Amino acid sequence: EVQLLESGGGLVQPGGSLRLSCAASGLTFSTYAMSWVRQAPGKGLYWVSGITGSGGSKYYADSVQGRFTISRDNSKNTLYLQMNSLRAEDTAVYYCAKDLRGVGYFDLWGRGTLVTVSS
Amino acid sequence: DIQMTQSPSTLSASVGDRVTITCRASQSISRWLAWYQQKPGKAPKLLIYEASSLQSGVPSRFSGSGSGTEFTLTISTLQPDDFATYLCQQYKGYAYTFGQGTKLEIK
Repeated sequence: EVQLLESGGGLVQPGGSLRLSCAASGLTFSTYAMSWVRQAPGKGLYWVSGITGSGGSKYYADSVQGRFTISRDNSKNTLYLQMNSLRAEDTAVYYCAKDLRGVGYFDLWGRGTLVTVSS
Repeated sequence: DIQMTQSPSTLSASVGDRVTITCRASQSISRWLAWYQQKPGKAPKLLIYEASSLQSGVPSRFSGSGSGTEFTLTISTLQPDDFATYLCQQYKGYAYTFGQGTKLEIK
């Protein structure tokens, strides 16, 4: 079965760090660009960061630039998001998403992992 | 960033109705637009890409149209499973942005 499974979410204090993981199965992971998209409680979707299949190019939303780092380990079929200097407004469900053709739309999403930033 | 605005925010309809949702971009995005369906507590599901291409496995009652700055998603004959939130997304270039969503409710 083709699937993405996020992990690593939880409760963290403002200014703290978390690393999210997204394990892919049933697909040739290295072929696909991937992104992280988040959804704050009761809000819409917000693209956070993207990475090409090789990992050679990385992209970030302005609001997370310099605080978040996206990476991937194609030998482990896993996508990561290192989140530092977390703020209350980063509280959201974080989804990893597969970019079908590397042009920016997503045909496969994980179930999401909840990140709560609160003291 | 390119802003995406959907209308209406909420739409009440009945099974069997034909409904249309509009998405407007703050600048031209050619046909670089996708539509998703999202149900509570679930991840989004891709319906349409490149403004009008139907994703594999999506029922043909869903269709998309438009180019430039104005786009529409049409559901030709509403089924009970279609009551959900619908979101548009532009992917002209990074940063990708989404509309705020249209909640389709049962009348």
